[in-house]
Amino acid sequence: DAKTTQPPSMDCAEGRAANLPCNHSTISGNEYVYWYRQIHSQGPQYIIHGLKNNETNEMASLIITEDRKSSTLILPHATLRDTAVYYCIVRGPSGGSYIPTFGRGTSLIVHP
Amino acid sequence: DGGITQSPKYLFRKEGQNVTLSCEQNLNHDAMYWYRQDPGQGLRLIYYSQIVNDFQKGDIAEGYSVSREKKESFPLTVTSAQKNPTAFYLCASRGAGETQYFGPGTRLLVL
Repeated sequence: DAKTTQPPSMDCAEGRAANLPCNHSTISGNEYVYWYRQIHSQGPQYIIHGLKNNETNEMASLIITEDRKSSTLILPHATLRDTAVYYCIVRGPSGGSYIPTFGRGTSLIVHP
Repeated sequence: DGGITQSPKYLFRKEGQNVTLSCEQNLNHDAMYWYRQDPGQGLRLIYYSQIVNDFQKGDIAEGYSVSREKKESFPLTVTSAQKNPTAFYLCASRGAGETQYFGPGTRLLVL
């Protein structure tokens, strides 16, 4: 699986959009981008994933660049409860042996 | 409710003692994973199992052992050979899709 690079920390004002970048320049054509988040002292929680197209669900939006070498997770209206560590993961297609790797992620602090 | 449960939430280990962390899932998932997380760090893979009665070592398996006798259960034993066991331990499972589901974690402390 391709490696990812994320900034160690970011902050955002409550009610504003939080844009979390992820670099995955070695991604292969059939590898997906996944995002999870971990609130302090809890297990990580799945947020969203995508392959080529932008994706949106009730939690967030995922924007993947055309060359697929980077992506951005967007929390459109951040709240204090969105304060967490956000992990960007790149992994292969279904059916293969799946050993996901979680790096240090981005620590997002949402302030009042 | 469907999900993954881990117990206990906190566990204390004495020197030279083996302790076992429980992980149970009722999601009917084949694959299960154990991770270790140290303060300020990411998750490191200890062991994983793709199917019942089979498991593989991860990146930091030394000092740990697992079993997978039932699909629902994947207990992790921290043996006395693990010299620095204090950490947050996370169990996860994955079904036919690619999303992992994590339990709430067990925090292990050494007395």
